[in-house]
Amino acid sequence: DARVTQTPRHKVTEMGQEVTMRCQPILGHNTVFWYRQTMMQGLELLAYFRNRAPLDDSGMPKDRFSAEMPDATLATLKIQPSEPRDSAVYFCASGLVPTGKGNQPQHFGDGTRLSIL
Amino acid sequence: AQTVTQSQPEMSVQEAETVTLSCTYDTSENNYYLFWYKQPPSRQMILVIRQEAYKQQNATENRFSVNFQKAAKSFSLKISDSQLGDTAMYFCAFMKRSNFGNEKLTFGTGTRLTIIP
Repeated sequence: DARVTQTPRHKVTEMGQEVTMRCQPILGHNTVFWYRQTMMQGLELLAYFRNRAPLDDSGMPKDRFSAEMPDATLATLKIQPSEPRDSAVYFCASGLVPTGKGNQPQHFGDGTRLSIL
Repeated sequence: AQTVTQSQPEMSVQEAETVTLSCTYDTSENNYYLFWYKQPPSRQMILVIRQEAYKQQNATENRFSVNFQKAAKSFSLKISDSQLGDTAMYFCAFMKRSNFGNEKLTFGTGTRLTIIP
């Protein structure tokens, strides 16, 4: 089965350090999402791309977060400088171009658990 | 904007029994999808079932079925013959339909389901 691949799976770092999370979407999927999961806020959208163009990043703190898709096989989410409140699980998901059966469900990666000390 | 509400933070049921998880949503969209995702302790996001709003027939997947009430904006999940492996966090999610690709998922806060041996 094709899968969304996220690296690293776990990351522990100190406050102020730069953090980069990577995502390889499923080949052929045209939409890529970044979600963040915390106990307090639940699952929330940070940003998403369609055909590598950013569509919505309103959920992302712009001063420290940035999301890019340098090519169709790689999406990155960077935090600089990181803060303890950024500790969360970050999920990448990708979605297929609609077929005759309409929109297909998004496929999620296994997430990156980020801990900022 | 869409909102998804899950009013049951936690539920527990004896193995082999039937359990129903509630979800309500609010939207002004007419064409959309509703999903139930399962998140076990491994933190994977696993699609359980999908419902298209224009279909009146309730979706079923083996032991999982939904009761979709479009007018009431209600979308409950029924798990029959519950198994220990069903222990997980369950999220209800909304996505509007698009001809261009997946749109963002809006999640409820989740219901933690425990199956008791």
